[in-house]
Amino acid sequence: NFMLTQPHSVSESPGKTVTISCTGSSGSIASNYVQWYQQRPGSAPTTVIYEDNQRPSGVPDRFSGSIDSSSNSASLTISGLKTEDEADYYCQSYDSSNHEVVFGGGTKLTVL
Amino acid sequence: QVQLQESGPGLVKPSETLSLTCAVSGYSISSGYYWGWIRQPPGKGLEWIGSIYHSGSTYYNPSLKSRVTISVDTSKNQFSLKLSSVTAADTAVYYCAREEGWMDYWGQGTLVTVSS
Repeated sequence: NFMLTQPHSVSESPGKTVTISCTGSSGSIASNYVQWYQQRPGSAPTTVIYEDNQRPSGVPDRFSGSIDSSSNSASLTISGLKTEDEADYYCQSYDSSNHEVVFGGGTKLTVL
Repeated sequence: QVQLQESGPGLVKPSETLSLTCAVSGYSISSGYYWGWIRQPPGKGLEWIGSIYHSGSTYYNPSLKSRVTISVDTSKNQFSLKLSSVTAADTAVYYCAREEGWMDYWGQGTLVTVSS
């Protein structure tokens, strides 16, 4: 089964830049789109990146997504960190051949 | 604006069947998209349960497939989840969502506790 692996936690200071990785277990992560969701405590997830690097309206351009085929991984980069960015972040992909959706285990971002 | 709202019992006994409904407003289910269920055990990550296409085709997480049924009622513009033979491990916040490979609209989530 296809799996996505994320670091359990990352931390960085306000104003800095942080990158969260999401590594695919098999196949090519570039074969299907990767999405990133932000989840604050007690709330439903919201999309910050879809289709590898697209931002929904309302998401600031401080958030960006990318794919690195050489490491079979996707990355979410948040620049100019704000305390409000502190949340859990999940990557997600799917196998278009059988519509199986997969989530990464989530990364807790601490901004301090 | 598309809105989704989960409803159903907040407490289910072990070995019984968990049943939830997701009411959709602001968009007609029969117009398209997949409609999915995702759960999150307390303090843990997100797990995709399954999805149904507007035409009725279903797709399930292989680890839950033997216990899951997702159905759609286009006349009521809602879709439903049934999870059989539940145990304490099925205690979670259950979310419904609209999806097309990614989830663009989510319900607020509903906590279901499995306990006698």
